[in-house]
Amino acid sequence: DQQVKQNSPSLSVQEGRISILNCDYTNSMFDYFLWYKKYPAEGPTFLISISSIKDKNEDGRFTVFLNKSAKHLSLHIVPSQPGDSAVYFCAASAGGTYKYIFGTGTRLKVLA
Amino acid sequence: NAGVTQTPKFQVLKTGQSMTLQCAQDMNHNSMYWYRQDPGMGLRLIYYSASEGTTDKGEVPNGYNVSRLNKREFSLRLESAAPSQTSVYFCASSEQGLPNYGYTFGSGTRLTVV
Repeated sequence: DQQVKQNSPSLSVQEGRISILNCDYTNSMFDYFLWYKKYPAEGPTFLISISSIKDKNEDGRFTVFLNKSAKHLSLHIVPSQPGDSAVYFCAASAGGTYKYIFGTGTRLKVLA
Repeated sequence: NAGVTQTPKFQVLKTGQSMTLQCAQDMNHNSMYWYRQDPGMGLRLIYYSASEGTTDKGEVPNGYNVSRLNKREFSLRLESAAPSQTSVYFCASSEQGLPNYGYTFGSGTRLTVV
């Protein structure tokens, strides 16, 4: 049973527009959430995090929103750039443990 | 500033052969992890080591063993490789007690078992 789900395998967005990547989770014990970005033939790189005590965290062009009641988080990229084209994974962990559960990823393509 | 280094980058094994994937980090992190990435499955945790001297099973540990050789190194061993273990393997490390800082991943080992 997939505890962390990214239901959109791919997304295409025009350069300069907003990209919104979504992630749903089922385990109400999750309290830390991360987003990673992965380019082909490279390891994932950490992008942004949010803990369950917050509902929003911003870092430059990247903002993560957390809706605990809906068990949903989203990553907004504004404005989108061609270099943002990559696979994005969300991940969640519970109780400050060392184990993150990852979603299946969404491939973002930003069109110039 | 190497971060997390994995060797080898590519490997082809025959069914039944054994091999060890090596991982080393130079960030003085306490915790280390092995994940595998398969199409449509995301990243799944195989084993992790919260600190030197400890190891624990993750989501998909069957067919694998690990060794936390010292604080820097965490190896993954396939005793008798099977085609189902064809995957891309990622090692990662993190600072203990800082879950919101995430992991630092290596660049991966692409393993094919024929």
